[in-house]
Amino acid sequence: KQEVTQIPAALSVPEGENLVLNCSFTDSAIYNLQWFRQDPGKGLTSLLLIQSSQREQTSGRLNASLDKSSGRSTLYIAASQPGDSATYLCAPDRLAFGKGNQVVVIP
Amino acid sequence: GAGVSQTPSNKVTEKGKYVELRCDPISGHTALYWYRQSLGQGPEFLIYFQGTGAADDSGLPNDRFFAVRPEGSVSTLKIQRTERGDSAVYLCASSGGAGREQGNTGELFFGEGSRLTVL
Repeated sequence: KQEVTQIPAALSVPEGENLVLNCSFTDSAIYNLQWFRQDPGKGLTSLLLIQSSQREQTSGRLNASLDKSSGRSTLYIAASQPGDSATYLCAPDRLAFGKGNQVVVIP
Repeated sequence: GAGVSQTPSNKVTEKGKYVELRCDPISGHTALYWYRQSLGQGPEFLIYFQGTGAADDSGLPNDRFFAVRPEGSVSTLKIQRTERGDSAVYLCASSGGAGREQGNTGELFFGEGSRLTVL
């Protein structure tokens, strides 16, 4: 059974700092890995999807890397803004999610 | 539709009652997933449909939970004899396929969820 761990569970950073969010998973035989953002009381919004054959994906200030063999993915958010405050969740192969990285960006 | 639609957005019921939650996926999406999420936790997988059939129902916690997708589009999650522990947000997601078909990324798109409160 896939187990997903996200570290740190929560972090607060001043506006402008870069964010590094980590996701590790136990079963490396994945087809893809997806990062999501969740605002309080809302559903999940897709941020990036990395296929197993890819090493990284980029969208604007967001970059996600994938090291399938070691069971790790990292989400980088450059020059953080208060609007980036949310919980970020990773999901390898859709059936298992981490508890999320709860981010607060302080203006 | 433009996105995944879930109804009702909120449901309050009494212990022991029957509840139905509906999910309308993105038009043309063949794969549909149900999850439930408790406060401070990530979504917990319940069941996955590919077309009309349940391809994986290993996440359903017990036989009080059942889901259908009779025409391969709208799905209904049914909970019998609700218990207070069933209180959670029930999330639905759809994708173009299971993610393993050629040319299909398997990207998941979520609805806003149905918040179930069992008193």
